[in-house]
Amino acid sequence: DARVTQTPRHKVTEMGQEVTMRCQPILGHNTVFWYRQTMMQGLELLAYFRNRAPLDDSGMPKDRFSAEMPDATLATLKIQPSEPRDSAVYFCASGPRRGGDQNTEAFFGQGTRLTVV
Amino acid sequence: DQQVKQNSPSLSVQEGRISILNCDYTNSMFDYFLWYKKYPAEGPTFLISISSIKDKNEDGRFTVFLNKSAKHLSLHIVPSQPGDSAVYFCATHNAGGTSYGKLTFGQGTILTVHP
Repeated sequence: DARVTQTPRHKVTEMGQEVTMRCQPILGHNTVFWYRQTMMQGLELLAYFRNRAPLDDSGMPKDRFSAEMPDATLATLKIQPSEPRDSAVYFCASGPRRGGDQNTEAFFGQGTRLTVV
Repeated sequence: DQQVKQNSPSLSVQEGRISILNCDYTNSMFDYFLWYKKYPAEGPTFLISISSIKDKNEDGRFTVFLNKSAKHLSLHIVPSQPGDSAVYFCATHNAGGTSYGKLTFGQGTILTVHP
């Protein structure tokens, strides 16, 4: 049963602390997305990668957020220092290699609920 | 700059009736359109999609309509069931340039189907 796995599921941290969220994409998928869900913005794209290379991270606050793919089985999203306004649910999604008429849907993990107090 | 907009934050429908969820987009480079469904405490799951070369795609109770000239798509659910109650997101796939493969989501519409 292939699925995207995110850890931790929940994280409560104090303002100023570093937070690292991890994602294991579906094996064989070559595109990885990080989204943040807030009440006001819906699903907001933070960054996405293809074949481990970052393609677009314009949605991320650059001074405190960073996203990496150390290898094809791991994507990380770090916040340093964290702030209360970062409290949200962070989703990772992966998508298969696309060609011809293949579907382009992405498959989501269950998310990491981050609370910064 | 919201490229994908779902202007109705919520929709309430009686069981058995039709639910119509709407989505507008601004970028003509979008070539694929998707609907996702999300239950509380879970990640969004793919529901149905449509290519820009079509104007309708049907899958059981779910039909997506695309009006490219109006840059508008809609999701019809008929008949609606209480289990359809969830948040529905529309999403677009970018076919061009440096943003190829980018999936952009709308803000979501909360659908409540009453028994």
